[in-house]
Amino acid sequence: QQQVKQSPQSLIVQKGGISIINCAYENTAFDYFPWYQQFPGKGPALLIAIRPDVSEKKEGRFTISFNKSAKQFSLHIMDSQPGDSATYFCAATTFQAAGNKLTFGGGTRVLVKP
Amino acid sequence: DTAVSQTPKYLVTQMGNDKSIKCEQNLGHDTMYWYKQDSKKFLKIMFSYNNKELIINETVPNRFSPKSPDKAHLNLHINSLELGDSAVYFCASSLQARAFFGQGTRLTVV
Repeated sequence: QQQVKQSPQSLIVQKGGISIINCAYENTAFDYFPWYQQFPGKGPALLIAIRPDVSEKKEGRFTISFNKSAKQFSLHIMDSQPGDSATYFCAATTFQAAGNKLTFGGGTRVLVKP
Repeated sequence: DTAVSQTPKYLVTQMGNDKSIKCEQNLGHDTMYWYKQDSKKFLKIMFSYNNKELIINETVPNRFSPKSPDKAHLNLHINSLELGDSAVYFCASSLQARAFFGQGTRLTVV
């Protein structure tokens, strides 16, 4: 039972384009939704996160859009650069729960072509 | 200054052996984790410790035994290694759900 579903599995975008990755969750107890970026041979790195009291959060070229009623959230990478080529994971957890285990989506491999 | 460091980075061993992975964090976080990333890149929680106390054990075989000697360390010992244990194991620590991961240990069982 996959509680966080992520799409697409892979994405190719031209330099300067917009990369969009979508996630949907099932557990309504989730109240913290981070995105992680992972380069080959490295650990996942926290990129940006959102809580359900806001519908959008922007940090530089990265924006999270959140739709609580639809239980969906998405990552937009504006002006995509070759250095953004990586695997991106959405995740969800309960902010105050002891342990705060992250439930991850399946990942999206993004390739930005120069 | 490495925030979450784990050793070794690579581990190749034969079936049936016992091995350990060590993890240390210098972020002052109370909560530490072990995650497993399989060959399809899927990340799944294995264990979570809060202040040295086991909080989450996510139906992991008994052959896996975590140990937290103090808040800054969380080690993973694996007995009787099997081919299916081959994966990348990540240690992480967190403060209020913001989790920071180590660079991973790629375990290959042959």
